[in-house]
Amino acid sequence: GQNIDQPTEMTATEGAIVQINCTYQTSGFNGLFWYQQHAGEAPTFLSYNVLDGLEEKGRFSSFLSRSKGYSYLLLKELQMKDSASYLCAVMDSNYQLIWGAGTKLIIKP
Amino acid sequence: DAGVTQSPTHLIKTRGQQVTLRCSPKSGHDTVSWYQQALGQGPQFIFQYYEEEERQRGNFPDRFSGHQYPNYSSELNVNALLLGDSALYLCASSLATDSGANVLTFGAGSRLTVL
Repeated sequence: GQNIDQPTEMTATEGAIVQINCTYQTSGFNGLFWYQQHAGEAPTFLSYNVLDGLEEKGRFSSFLSRSKGYSYLLLKELQMKDSASYLCAVMDSNYQLIWGAGTKLIIKP
Repeated sequence: DAGVTQSPTHLIKTRGQQVTLRCSPKSGHDTVSWYQQALGQGPQFIFQYYEEEERQRGNFPDRFSGHQYPNYSSELNVNALLLGDSALYLCASSLATDSGANVLTFGAGSRLTVL
C-alpha cells in the first residue's frame, strides 16, 4: 500500500529552527509537495521537490532524497504565525496526490 | 482575482439525507479536485473533474458523486449520509497538465456534520 509518515506534533521556540520530516512509500513518484494549513483554513502551497536536493524559498527550505523516500521541511527564524499543520504529499505514478496526516507545529514565545 | 470559493461553509445533516456542496475554481483553472479531511488527518482524494468528466477517483463509494459545469465550477453530492461522512470537504483547483508540478489552490472548505 501507499504510505506517508510524518510526526504528529512538534514544538519549537520563536526565532529558532525546526525540521519536519516526511518518509514515503508510494506507487511511483512524480514529486513531493509541502502545504501549510492553519486551523480552520485551506491548505496553502509551500514547496515542490521532484529532484534530489534542497529547494530554498525565504525562511522555508525543503529537501528530497528519492532513494531514501525521505523529505524534510526546514523552517528558520520561527514566528508565532508559523504555528500550523504542515502536510506532506506525494504525487504517485497516476498523478494522484497521497497525503500524510500532517504535523502540528506549536511555536512558543 | 478570486481564489477558490466553496459553499456552504458549514452545514448539518442527519443520517440518510443527501447533501450538495459547491465549488468555483480559481480564475484560469480548469480542473477541480475534491478531498475529504477528517479532524487531525490529511486530505483524502475523492475525485477529480476535467472537461466536465470524472478523470480520476479515489477509494470512495458510489454514494459520492460529482459534476463539473462548462464554466468549470463543480458540485460534490453525497447520498445516504453516514455519521462517518462528517468531515471538512475541500475543493482544489488547478490547471490541467501532465507535469507533476501541478500546484493545487484550495478553497476554505465546507464543514459537514452528520447527526
